[in-house]
Amino acid sequence: QVQLQESGPGLVKPSETLSLTCAVSGYSISSGYYWGWIRQPPGKGLEWIASIYHSGITFYSPSLKSRVTISMERSKNQLSLKLNSVTAADTAVYFCARDISASGAFEYWGQGALVTVSS
Amino acid sequence: QSALTQPASVSGSPGQSVTISCTGTTSDIGTYTLVSWYQQHPGKAPKLVTYDGFKRPSGVSNRFSASISGNTASLTISGLRAEDEADYYCCSQAGRNTFEFGGGTKLTVL
Repeated sequence: QVQLQESGPGLVKPSETLSLTCAVSGYSISSGYYWGWIRQPPGKGLEWIASIYHSGITFYSPSLKSRVTISMERSKNQLSLKLNSVTAADTAVYFCARDISASGAFEYWGQGALVTVSS
Repeated sequence: QSALTQPASVSGSPGQSVTISCTGTTSDIGTYTLVSWYQQHPGKAPKLVTYDGFKRPSGVSNRFSASISGNTASLTISGLRAEDEADYYCCSQAGRNTFEFGGGTKLTVL
């Protein structure tokens, strides 16, 4: 059974960098599939942030591309997300997920990590 | 503001069918036809219910079906049950390996 678990600081100051990791168990991220990050501001809808192919090729939301980096650490079987120059608008629950069809079909999700941007 | 437009809310009685629409443009649904639908209960991660236009993941009830016509995707839930009450989101490819979500639809089971 594939399981994903996000972790990282729950509070980040404005203008700083948000860093999250996603530990994957039950499947080697190097073996296949696209892996992605999606966020959801409190009380609002979902927003796709970025995806990474098992080969390391990356894809970013045009609206966030200038501030986001997605990567994978194969030895630890985990994904990482970095979002710099954060503002209050970046406050959200951040999810990592596995895309089963390279088409935005995220079948396996983590439980989500709430990140609040505040001084 | 989401690029894909969904109704804010829909409702139906147990046993009935409801359809949720997701309207895009020729830049997304109209070109790629790779639409996914998600169900999300409060405080939970989204659950994939259909993908690639009409496919269902293993374990998802066949009460969930999806289709695409032109720039609009639709999710139909038949034999409505109380546990279907949730938020539903569509997601479409919107360029080479980029994706966008709809604004979400709250389904109320009366």
